[in-house]
Amino acid sequence: SQQGEEDPQALSIQEGENATMNCSYKTSINNLQWYRQNSGRGLVHLILIRSNEREKHSGRLRVTLDTSKKSSSLLITASRAADTASYFCAHLNFGNEKLTFGTGTRLTIIP
Amino acid sequence: NAGVTQTPKFQVLKTGQSMTLQCAQDMNHEYMSWYRQDPGMGLRLIHYSVGAGITDQGEVPNGYNVSRSTTEDFPLRLLSAAPSQTSVYFCASSPRQASYEQYFGPGTRLTVT
Repeated sequence: SQQGEEDPQALSIQEGENATMNCSYKTSINNLQWYRQNSGRGLVHLILIRSNEREKHSGRLRVTLDTSKKSSSLLITASRAADTASYFCAHLNFGNEKLTFGTGTRLTIIP
Repeated sequence: NAGVTQTPKFQVLKTGQSMTLQCAQDMNHEYMSWYRQDPGMGLRLIHYSVGAGITDQGEVPNGYNVSRSTTEDFPLRLLSAAPSQTSVYFCASSPRQASYEQYFGPGTRLTVT
């Protein structure tokens, strides 16, 4: 399977702290995307980073991509209770139209 | 816009029964896909379509059929349900390709007994 892997599997932090989650993949990619899933809901797109980009910001989110290590990280700064959710990375391999998701990180923000 | 809609929200089937999970989008998106989500496995791609009349297999296509006769609709058919198909199924769409952000439906929770 070319499914990506994320770590940690679960993360609990205090409100206001920063949360970092990591994603690894095995192939050459076109882009990498991050999604959030609240309990019992569908996934919501957060941010997309292309293979020729190294860092991208969106509000309190910062994503990095290291194609030499085949890894990406998502940083959420100044966390809020509403950030409690599962976070998934998804990568798109060159040459096909199949988006491959990681196994996810379950983030809990403690008020 | 309603976005991506899925019906039903919940379904219980007996082993061997067949059914169709419905997915529709009103955003004129070319790319549509089906995923299943199982605990600890993330999302796995079942089938996808890059436009009306064109479908292809994903990572776990066995036991499922799809067709894409219109841009709006992308139904997923379970031919003969098995307990291993108990899962949450998500439909997604994007404007043109998988390289764009995906818009997900709310999911269908399927139990096969």
